[in-house]
Amino acid sequence: KQEVTQIPAALSVPEGENLVLNCSFTDSAIYNLQWFRQDPGKGLTSLLLIQSSQREQTSGRLNASLDKSSGRSTLYIAASQPGDSATYLCAPGYNFNKFYFGSGTKLNVKP
Amino acid sequence: KAGVTQTPRYLIKTRGQQVTLSCSPISGHRSVSWYQQTPGQGLQFLFEYFSETQRNKGNFPGRFSGRQFSNSRSEMNVSTLELGDSALYLCASSLERLAGADTQYFGPGTRLTVL
Repeated sequence: KQEVTQIPAALSVPEGENLVLNCSFTDSAIYNLQWFRQDPGKGLTSLLLIQSSQREQTSGRLNASLDKSSGRSTLYIAASQPGDSATYLCAPGYNFNKFYFGSGTKLNVKP
Repeated sequence: KAGVTQTPRYLIKTRGQQVTLSCSPISGHRSVSWYQQTPGQGLQFLFEYFSETQRNKGNFPGRFSGRQFSNSRSEMNVSTLELGDSALYLCASSLERLAGADTQYFGPGTRLTVL
């Protein structure tokens, strides 16, 4: 059974800091891996999708890396802002759009 | 382009009842997936539909079922509701693909409370 672990579970940083969120997964037969953010009581917003053949994907202040063979992905957030406060979820994707989710990292960026 | 819409947004039911939730995908998307989110178990995959066919199923009892219509809209049904079915039910849509995994676009969810 696929297991997805996200570390840390919670993170509180002052505004402006660079930070790294970690994700590990046990089944490396992935098609891709997607990072999401979720605001309280809301649905998920897609941040980045990395194909299994890629090593990195960037969007603005966000950079995600993927090491498929070791079952790891990281999400790097540069120059964090209070608006980045949310729960960040990683989800490796398998055949026919089956995604497994980690329990998330709850980020709080203090002004 | 309109996003994924889910109706209703909130539902309160009692144990033993059944419920139907609806999801309208982004225009042009033919794959629709359903997830259950609870504080204890997190996000769990229920099932995925593509061109009216269920292609993938998670590890949920048969009380959970779904279907997809020719316009790609999808419904999920939960029969004989239990207290533990209280959750946020999320629907996601993605572009058509015969296999593999595409970027998932999620709706706002339906909050189901079972009393």
